[in-house]
Amino acid sequence: GAVVSQHPSWVICKSGTSVKIECRSLDFQATTMFWYRQFPKQSLMLMATSNEGSKATYEQGVEKDKFLINHASLTLSTLTVTSAHPEDSSFYICSARGGGLGYEQYFGPGTRLTVT
Amino acid sequence: AQSVSQHNHHVILSEAASLELGCNYSYGGTVNLFWYVQYPGQHLQLLLKYFSGDPLVKGIKGFEAEFIKSKFSFNLRKPSVQWSDTAEYFCAVNARMDSSYKLIFGSGTRLLVRP
Repeated sequence: GAVVSQHPSWVICKSGTSVKIECRSLDFQATTMFWYRQFPKQSLMLMATSNEGSKATYEQGVEKDKFLINHASLTLSTLTVTSAHPEDSSFYICSARGGGLGYEQYFGPGTRLTVT
Repeated sequence: AQSVSQHNHHVILSEAASLELGCNYSYGGTVNLFWYVQYPGQHLQLLLKYFSGDPLVKGIKGFEAEFIKSKFSFNLRKPSVQWSDTAEYFCAVNARMDSSYKLIFGSGTRLLVRP
């Protein structure tokens, strides 16, 4: 149980375009979802927290207008990287919490974004 | 500010050697502590967690960790590592920040086990 999926697993886009990444909780209702960014050989950095039906809360230094997060349902959150640039290339990981599972977060497999 | 420190960035061991990875955190409130593992090319998996009770917690694949409150530590141990334990290990603390709970990750320890 407590499976989180992400789609796509890998995406390449051109500079200036937008990319949407989906995060789904497959077998539980995720009241809270988190988006992380992981640079090569570095740790996970929290970008934002989203609660279903509410606006996302962004961490300091994360541009709200660039990284659009939507958590419209209890099983789906999306991260849209707008006007992507090469420096946005990274590994984006989502996690989900909820459904009576306590404070534990369940992580998705990640999405590798490459901006050319 | 709340933080998690993993002092060993790279560890190289031979098979059957014992493993201990250090993790210290700075947070004054009630904490939930986690160790995650990330195998090459795979996603984060939970190894073990501590919420309350017995400070010595056992996880999957023979791993265990001990919560020592007085030292703000949560070190990961395994008595005998295998080649398949080669991975990156992350310590994390679930701390209350800005009226919500957030996971704060350490910088990770990359473990290489030589066959």
